[in-house]
Amino acid sequence: QKEVEQNSGPLSVPEGAIASLNCTYSDRGSQSFFWYRQYSGKSPELIMFIYSNGDKEDGRFTAQLNKASQYVSLLIRDSQPSDSATYLCAVNKAGGYQKVTFGTGTKLQVIP
Amino acid sequence: SAVISQKPSRDICQRGTSLTIQCQVDSQVTMMFWYRQQPGQSLTLIATANQGSEATYESGFVIDKFPISRPNLTFSTLTVSNLSPEDSSIYLCSAPGADQETQYFGPGTRLLVL
Repeated sequence: QKEVEQNSGPLSVPEGAIASLNCTYSDRGSQSFFWYRQYSGKSPELIMFIYSNGDKEDGRFTAQLNKASQYVSLLIRDSQPSDSATYLCAVNKAGGYQKVTFGTGTKLQVIP
Repeated sequence: SAVISQKPSRDICQRGTSLTIQCQVDSQVTMMFWYRQQPGQSLTLIATANQGSEATYESGFVIDKFPISRPNLTFSTLTVSNLSPEDSSIYLCSAPGADQETQYFGPGTRLLVL
């Protein structure tokens, strides 16, 4: 079992729709969870992080964490063509700054 | 957030040579990280560069192939030695933000080995 699993996609959504990106992790002791956006040929850009169960909203982005189910998701509301990118889920195994493990990423395509 | 720069942004190298990549952070950080991202793949951690001590390497990566220096709290270098075409990849350095939880990436170095 991979430490961090994501569906590779591509996930295609029409412009204006909600894109839902999902991630599961294997280490129940994981404490910090991150979503990165990576455009083709660019480095990853941090867009959301979440530490506690529940939802965290920032603009059009909502991160959702369910530690009991070992599941973290990212919702993008009112999806725009500029949101088309690969979204990487990352997990920090322990509190404080430690090694972060990345999933393989989900490619999102927003269709105009 | 941390602002991170890398040099060179890209290079083409001959088999058997070495490439040294530089990473500069705009603030002092205890740890810096080096990743590799092969074409179409996710990020794989190569090593953690600790200031004042030896780098810590992940399984599958060795110091002879990927020597790392960390002379101060804002700078690190990664050398990829004895290059082969399999080393063609993007190499990224990262560092934590002020909260020590979030991690930020440099723009990456794109290496092609012929």
